Amino acid sequence: QKEVEQNSGPLSVPEGAIASLNCTYSDRGSQSFFWYRQYSGKSPELIMSIYSNGDKEDGRFTAQLNKASQYVSLLIRDSQPSDSATYLCAVETDSNYQLIWGAGTKLIIKP
Amino acid sequence: DADVTQTPRNRITKTGKRIMLECSQTKGHDRMYWYRQDPGLGLRLIYYSFDVKDINKGEISDGYSVSRQAQAKFSLSLESAIPNQTALYFCATSSGSTGEQYFGPGTRLTVT
Repeated sequence: QKEVEQNSGPLSVPEGAIASLNCTYSDRGSQSFFWYRQYSGKSPELIMSIYSNGDKEDGRFTAQLNKASQYVSLLIRDSQPSDSATYLCAVETDSNYQLIWGAGTKLIIKP
Repeated sequence: DADVTQTPRNRITKTGKRIMLECSQTKGHDRMYWYRQDPGLGLRLIYYSFDVKDINKGEISDGYSVSRQAQAKFSLSLESAIPNQTALYFCATSSGSTGEQYFGPGTRLTVT
């Protein structure tokens, strides 16, 4: 069964520091990877998409992909209290183009 | 205006009742999805549709049915609601070209 694994947390990070969120996946043929942010009781919001090995930066966010290690990460620089949320990793399957979702990592930014 | 809307936003119903959740989108996407989310758990796919004539079961379709009335509308029905269907339900859309999915605000359903 295809799986996406995330540490459930909570991950506590001081304000202004770098938050590092990690995700591993089992489908070696996957080509598309996504990070979503979800505030409590709200819907998931797309933060980053990454399709190629390496880093992709967008403002304070950097997504990193290593297909050989089946590993994708999200770095949040200069963390703010408003970044406190659950971060969901999603991987598109190679077979039927569905997203397989991790259970999410709860991030807490401490002022 | 929101690109993906869901109605109702909250619903409390009794066991055995039929319930319909509706989703509309103005993004022009062909693909639409219904998910449920339970506390502490990830998103689980109920049904998905790649176009009006293409509807597929997800991992937890038992007890649910769907209707794709138009490219922009996708409804989820619970024919006879049971308490373990109490959850947060999300509709999502995708163009298919990027794999990115965009979510509606969700419907909080409580079955008593």
